Amino acid sequence: GQNIDQPTEMTATEGAIVQINCTYQTSGFNGLFWYQQHAGEAPTFLSYNVLDGLEEKGRFSSFLSRSKGYSYLLLKELQMKDSASYLCAVRDSNYQLIWGAGTKLIIKP
Amino acid sequence: IAGITQAPTSQILAAGRRMTLRCTQDMRHNAMYWYRQDLGLGLRLIHYSNTAGTTGKGEVPDGYSVSRANTDDFPLTLASAVPSQTSVYFCASSAGGSTGELFFGEGSRLTVL
Repeated sequence: GQNIDQPTEMTATEGAIVQINCTYQTSGFNGLFWYQQHAGEAPTFLSYNVLDGLEEKGRFSSFLSRSKGYSYLLLKELQMKDSASYLCAVRDSNYQLIWGAGTKLIIKP
Repeated sequence: IAGITQAPTSQILAAGRRMTLRCTQDMRHNAMYWYRQDLGLGLRLIHYSNTAGTTGKGEVPDGYSVSRANTDDFPLTLASAVPSQTSVYFCASSAGGSTGELFFGEGSRLTVL
């Protein structure tokens, strides 16, 4: 079966750095996405990786290793507004998205 | 403001009743999707449409139906609601292309009693 694993919850301190991991086992691979979802709101797109390596976008970076079935989202200079759930999703060989359950990130002052 | 509009935002429904969740987008995206989101689970695809006039079944289609008469509208119908259909429902669209990122509506919270 297809599976996306990410930690259920993480806690970090304002101003610090946090890394959210995602491992996947899917039927084929056509890209990996990270979305941010604030409580009670819709998910919004953060990043997309299809080749191995690091993609940097401001305070957020996303890394992919296809051979290891592994990605991480790195958030720097954490702000209180970064408190949200972070969803990892993989597009499989049929171009369907397989979603992880999400990681709830709690930022403490 | 361009985007996706869902209605209603919240609804309490008696079991056995018929319910249609509405979804309209003004971005002229070809692909549209309906997901349900339940605590502790990832988003699960109910139905999708790659273009107007076509629809397909996702991971959890039973008890739901959709139609895509035009590019903008993609309603989701529960023919006879059951308590297990209590969930938050998200409509999304995608322009396709190399990234194919999804744009989501604000969600419809449905409670079936």
